[in-house]
Amino acid sequence: EVQLVESGGGLVQPGGSLRLSCAASGFTFSTYWMHWVRQAPGKGLVWVSRINSDGSSTTYADSVKGRFTISRDNAKNTLYLQMNSLRAEDSAVYYCASPPPYSSSLSAFDIWGQGTMVTVSS
Amino acid sequence: QSVLTQPPSASGTPGQRVTISCSGSSSNIGSNTVNWYQQLPGTAPKLLIYNNNQRPSGVPDRFSGSKSGTSASLAISGLQSEDEADYHCAAWDDSLNGVVFGGGTKLTVL
Repeated sequence: EVQLVESGGGLVQPGGSLRLSCAASGFTFSTYWMHWVRQAPGKGLVWVSRINSDGSSTTYADSVKGRFTISRDNAKNTLYLQMNSLRAEDSAVYYCASPPPYSSSLSAFDIWGQGTMVTVSS
Repeated sequence: QSVLTQPPSASGTPGQRVTISCSGSSSNIGSNTVNWYQQLPGTAPKLLIYNNNQRPSGVPDRFSGSKSGTSASLAISGLQSEDEADYHCAAWDDSLNGVVFGGGTKLTVL
């Protein structure tokens, strides 16, 4: 079964750090770009970051640039998001997502994880 | 404030046809493909329409997408109660060098 499973969310104080993980199974993880998308409670989807298949190229939304780092371990079929200097506005459900093999669209994601909640509060 | 603009809400009765709009600019919808997602309450988004008007396997043909210039639309015909969900549009933005989403439209089936 094709699956993405996120973990690592939780409650963290402003200025703190958290590392999210996304375990992939059922598809050839190492051949796909991977993305992180977040959604604050009751709000819309917001793209966070992406990484290419071998990890050599990364892109970030301006809102997280310099604070978040996306990485991957293809041997472990796992995607990561290291989040530093966290702010209240980073509170959201974080999803990892991957594009479909049948589309080259840069904004098409057909596999999503269940999401992991990050709450930044004192 | 989302880069792509969607109406916050839409509604229809069973069997009706409803459309949801998504407005952008030349740097996103005007130059890249649009994708639509359906998000049922408490669940992850699901790809509904890709490449402006293509349906992934398993998506009923009641759902259709179109794009013209810097705007796109999602149409749902033969509305059913299970279509009650949030719908999000997305596109790549060449200026921002990232994916941009609409704010989402909450569809209510009356």
